[in-house]
Amino acid sequence: QQQVKQSPQSLIVQKGGISIINCAYENTAFDYFPWYQQFPGKGPALLIAIRPDVSEKKEGRFTISFNKSAKQFSLHIMDSQPGDSATYFCAASINDSGGSNYKLTFGKGTLLTVNP
Amino acid sequence: ETGVTQSPTHLIKTRGQQVTLRCSSQSGHNTVSWYQQALGQGPQFIFQYYREEENGRGNFPPRFSGLQFPNYSSELNVNALELDDSALYLCASSLGQFGTEAFFGQGTRLTVV
Repeated sequence: QQQVKQSPQSLIVQKGGISIINCAYENTAFDYFPWYQQFPGKGPALLIAIRPDVSEKKEGRFTISFNKSAKQFSLHIMDSQPGDSATYFCAASINDSGGSNYKLTFGKGTLLTVNP
Repeated sequence: ETGVTQSPTHLIKTRGQQVTLRCSSQSGHNTVSWYQQALGQGPQFIFQYYREEENGRGNFPPRFSGLQFPNYSSELNVNALELDDSALYLCASSLGQFGTEAFFGQGTRLTVV
């Protein structure tokens, strides 16, 4: 059972455009939603994260939008640049005092290509 | 401040063998998690160590085991390797049992032949 569903699988955007990646989750106990960026041959790097008490968080060109009722969250990359070309993963975790804290459940990833 | 480092970067093993992967956590971090990332997939949680004790485990068989040392570095051991164990193994460190961000190392690429 896939707990975090990510779409699209791949995305091609022109330089300067907006890249949008969506994720949906099933477990309502999730309370931490990070996005990771991964370049080939590298480990994932934390990009931005949000908790369910806010509906939007912005850091530079990156924005997370969060819809708790729909159990969906998305990453928006404004003014996309060729250097943003990478695989993006959404994730979710539970801050559970009795279990594995920040055990991240990842989506399958989106390969973003930004053409110059 | 040093980041998360993993060794080795690449490894080739034969089916049935055993392997040990190593991870040095980021300075000041006392929690280490291990993930398996198959080609074209997202990372999957294997287990987490906090203050030298296992603190949660994903859906992986017992032949996947680990250790955390007093300096918070960690090892992942896999016994009786199978072809499907071929993957990128990622270590992530964070601060505290209820820590926030998890920072990943560059991973160890394991190939089982």
